[in-house]
Amino acid sequence: QSALTQPASVSGSPGQSITISCTGTSGDVGGYNYVSWYQQHPGKAPKLIIYNVSDRPSGFSDRFSGSKSGNTASLTISGLQPEDEADYYCSSYTSTTTRVFGGGTKLTVL
Amino acid sequence: EVQLVESGGGLVQPGGSLRLSCAVSGFTFSDHWMHWVRQAPGKGLVWVSRINGDESTTTYADSVKGRFTISRDNDKNMLFLQMNSLRAEDTAVYYCARGFPGTTPAFDVWGQGTMVTVSS
Repeated sequence: QSALTQPASVSGSPGQSITISCTGTSGDVGGYNYVSWYQQHPGKAPKLIIYNVSDRPSGFSDRFSGSKSGNTASLTISGLQPEDEADYYCSSYTSTTTRVFGGGTKLTVL
Repeated sequence: EVQLVESGGGLVQPGGSLRLSCAVSGFTFSDHWMHWVRQAPGKGLVWVSRINGDESTTTYADSVKGRFTISRDNDKNMLFLQMNSLRAEDTAVYYCARGFPGTTPAFDVWGQGTMVTVSS
């Protein structure tokens, strides 16, 4: 159960767009449309922001969008805002019915 | 309001045991898969275990298989994680998380976490 691969950090200025990648294998990301994304502010619990690759929970901002191509999923945040500064984690269902997370990406809003 | 509240964390010696609890409210507990996810200090999230609504199916990460046991009491709206043979690398904040409604494998509600420290 190797962790999915995410960049350690990304940054952007307010109003810009950024994309965070999440690379797995055909046994997880590539094999199922079951990638989810979580936002975690320091000292807080994670919060679901995307599920099933590109679906947003009810009421969540449409500035957040998800996609997938092959074994790589992506989270795009448009119109960056200071409150978007947080850690972001991807997660996937796996062929052994377990779940696997990515290592996390720290987003800095400059 | 949907709430998950973990308890039971603390300091334990290597080789020791600890039982975590998660009290839930605000939804029909038995309708949902439930999960435990942990996060070592300064590190990322790691999925630990899951259990379905009627306790007939449980799954574990390889790193805890044979040492941890997940269970639930639907009458009391409680989720548990029995942790035995604890190791230093089990030190982490442990979160309970609700499985997304239906078959979608995501975690839509999280507790605030309980800290487990394994050290002599």
